[in-house]
Amino acid sequence: EIVLTQSPGTLSLSPGERATLSCKASQSLGNTYLAWYQQKPGQTPRLLIYGASSRATGIPDRFSGSGSGTDFTLTISRLEPEDFAVYYCQHYGSSPLFTFGPGTKVDIK
Amino acid sequence: EVQLLESGGGLIQPGGSLRLSCEASGFTFRDYAMTWVRQGPGKGLEWVSTIDGGGGDTFYADSVRGRFTISRDNSQNTVFLQMGSLRSEDTAMYYCVNDYGEYDAFDMWGQGTMVTVAS
Repeated sequence: EIVLTQSPGTLSLSPGERATLSCKASQSLGNTYLAWYQQKPGQTPRLLIYGASSRATGIPDRFSGSGSGTDFTLTISRLEPEDFAVYYCQHYGSSPLFTFGPGTKVDIK
Repeated sequence: EVQLLESGGGLIQPGGSLRLSCEASGFTFRDYAMTWVRQGPGKGLEWVSTIDGGGGDTFYADSVRGRFTISRDNSQNTVFLQMGSLRSEDTAMYYCVNDYGEYDAFDMWGQGTMVTVAS
């Protein structure tokens, strides 16, 4: 069973700064079915990145994903006020079929 | 416009049963697998169950296997989640989601329906 771990739990940054979020898998992901979501309070999650590094439709290019194997990263190049939210990574695999990480909260310093 | 609309949530006693529904519109429903994801109060996202487009293949998280059953009616563009032997830890917002964009991820989310298991 694949377990996803995200770090840090909370990231306190200022607008304009760069955010680097980590997602580590308990075993190598044989494919690149690794996605990232953003969730703001009271809202449903929004898909940002799929296939580890591809941006979903309409996602600004300040969001980028990278990584392979067990280590994946979501980078927000310059934080905008609307980017302060919780971010989840998610894997599509076989057992379990889908796995979410516990989330990283990006809040305003 | 692609839309997912959940219903059926509410307050239910431990050990009880509840059936959630999700009506889809704006796309060819039978062509897409459908999934339920839940989120406990103040907690993260948890995958619950997935059903393929034809309804022949179903998948469950260990935490609900044997208690929950997913099904669909393609003539009604609706997916269901029959929940039984409910526990307090099943308290959550239940989202109906799908991979409309074929991303192998979830790009379409309903607004959710809240299930509260309490006496």
